[in-house]
Amino acid sequence: GAVVSQHPSRVICKSGTSVKIECRSLDFQATTMFWYRQFPKQSLMLMATSNEGSKATYEQGVEKDKFLINHASLTLSTLTVTSAHPEDSSFYICSASGSLGTDTQYFGPGTRLTVL
Amino acid sequence: GENVEQHPSTLSVQEGDSAVIKCTYSDSASNYFPWYKQELGKRPQLIIDIRSNVGEKKDQRIAVTLNKTAKHFSLHITETQPEDSAVYFCAASKGGSYIPTFGRGTSLIVHP
Repeated sequence: GAVVSQHPSRVICKSGTSVKIECRSLDFQATTMFWYRQFPKQSLMLMATSNEGSKATYEQGVEKDKFLINHASLTLSTLTVTSAHPEDSSFYICSASGSLGTDTQYFGPGTRLTVL
Repeated sequence: GENVEQHPSTLSVQEGDSAVIKCTYSDSASNYFPWYKQELGKRPQLIIDIRSNVGEKKDQRIAVTLNKTAKHFSLHITETQPEDSAVYFCAASKGGSYIPTFGRGTSLIVHP
């Protein structure tokens, strides 16, 4: 149990385009989903927390108009990087917690975004 | 808010040796402490966790100890193997809907 999928695993896009990343909990209901950004050899930087059916809570310094998060159902959250620039290139990881116990987070496999 | 410090940032050991990674936290209300292992380019995976009502938990070669008074907790890996090589993250949380705070990570290298 506790499987979280993320799609796509890797995306390369041109500067100025928007990219959508999906995060799904496959075998449990995720009342809360988290979006992280990770630079090489660094820790997980929390970007935002989303609860199903409500607006996401963004961490300080994260632009909510640039990183759009939608948690439309108990199994799906999406992160859209709008007008992507090369500095947005990073490893984006989602995690979910919920019906299996709110303490433990289960991570998706991550999405490697490269903006040219 | 919570602040989690993790040491060392890099740990290099010989196969068969033990490895210890230490974390301290600042919020005495934190009561849940998970440890994650992340291999290169992959997702963090929960390997062990401990709650504040116990002082130690063990799972085969992995153990975690917690000292609530001193507000620190440690990960112990015995008889290390090359496949233990990865980045390990500690975290502290007040449980429930509270968001865990992660340490900066420790890169463990086990030399065969």
